[in-house]
Amino acid sequence: SAVISQKPSRDICQRGTSLTIQCQVDSQVTMMFWYRQQPGQSLTLIATANQGSEATYESGFVIDKFPISRPNLTFSTLTVSNMSPEDSSIYLCSVESGANVLTFGAGSRLTVL
Amino acid sequence: AQKVTQAQTEISVVEKEDVTLDCVYETRDTTYYLFWYKQPPSGELVFLIRRNSFDEQNEISGRYSWNFQKSTSSFNFTITASQVVDSAVYFCALRLQGAQKLVFGQGTRLTINP
Repeated sequence: SAVISQKPSRDICQRGTSLTIQCQVDSQVTMMFWYRQQPGQSLTLIATANQGSEATYESGFVIDKFPISRPNLTFSTLTVSNMSPEDSSIYLCSVESGANVLTFGAGSRLTVL
Repeated sequence: AQKVTQAQTEISVVEKEDVTLDCVYETRDTTYYLFWYKQPPSGELVFLIRRNSFDEQNEISGRYSWNFQKSTSSFNFTITASQVVDSAVYFCALRLQGAQKLVFGQGTRLTINP
């Protein structure tokens, strides 16, 4: 299965700032997915990122708040903009790795003060 | 809409006990996939199993076993002779054929006490 590296693994940020999370995969993949896991909660899909096109956002998530880049088939970034404490979460990158199986990165744990 | 329910928020057992984690799902589609993932304290999600909707055979992998019953829309996970290293949050998830989204349950926090 694919190996996913995410950076940063954790960060503490000030309210009103933005943070960009990087996701690197060791193989070329068509789609990359960004999930959010709020404290003590389940995972929710933020958006799907295809190379060469704009990301597709799920209901409740907008591009201005969570801009995504997908410059090539092995890399994507998710930016959390104008952060508030409610954005404190684990953000996980995932890719399809085998038939219908999603592999996840270790996540980026974000704390907003 | 699809939904996955894990009614057990937290389970705590003593090592070597057997434990079953329940998962009930809702979908009107006939072709779908069910998953279990493990999230240890370190935070990463570890894939455990995928089951497609046409395969109701139960599966056993070492101390782990899964019981898929379409009649009750359930996909339960049993750990036999539990060990402390099994302590984690376990998520059940559903994905429709052709869909991008993986719909997760709320997770069950399993604590195995020595």
